[in-house]
Amino acid sequence: NAGVTQTPKFQVLKTGQSMTLQCAQDMNHEYMSWYRQDPGMGLRLIHYSVGAGITDQGEVPNGYNVSRSTTEDFPLRLLSAAPSQTSVYFCASRPTAGLPTDTQYFGPGTRLTVL
Amino acid sequence: GNSVTQMEGPVTLSEEAFLTINCTYTATGYPSLFWYVQYPGEGLQLLLKATKADDKGSNKGFEATYRKETTSFHLEKGSVQVSDSAVYFCALSDGNTGGFKTIFGAGTRLFVKA
Repeated sequence: NAGVTQTPKFQVLKTGQSMTLQCAQDMNHEYMSWYRQDPGMGLRLIHYSVGAGITDQGEVPNGYNVSRSTTEDFPLRLLSAAPSQTSVYFCASRPTAGLPTDTQYFGPGTRLTVL
Repeated sequence: GNSVTQMEGPVTLSEEAFLTINCTYTATGYPSLFWYVQYPGEGLQLLLKATKADDKGSNKGFEATYRKETTSFHLEKGSVQVSDSAVYFCALSDGNTGGFKTIFGAGTRLFVKA
């Protein structure tokens, strides 16, 4: 198993550009999520999905879109990048959507800089 | 709403010292509690968890006990090693909301000197 994979590892964008961060998992997990990590703020939830075709907003969803057309993939789209979106982005998954005791498995992260 | 508060870092210790990282939480229901660790340049990985009051989670010499009366889940290790240098995150997952929105603390960076 590759676990949770993310691409790219690093990305630099100009203000106003759009891009998609890719996330895939090969563990047949129901639940997938996107977080951003900023210094002194821990991880904050952007969007999550409890299964193919079902997504919902987290704590900081503005400026981001997601979709989940398959169980494996959960891409995060930045519609019009802003410097405030400079951050490290982590994708995570866990086996069962509605089981809060489940462990989350994290990808290696994407470091995004918006100039 | 739910929240997690961790002690601010960085924490700097010498090898073989005793470690405590404090974590307290606020939650409306009966959350599950987690400690995740992030080594440099990597994603987070689970260190230990506890899913009900008085449970003790343990792994790799680390321990934490779910204390409902003090709403705490402090991380401890009796003798740290240089390889324990990392950032540690306390987190909660609330069963009342299906556990869909895990809340993380700000993280505590630990440096262990040889």
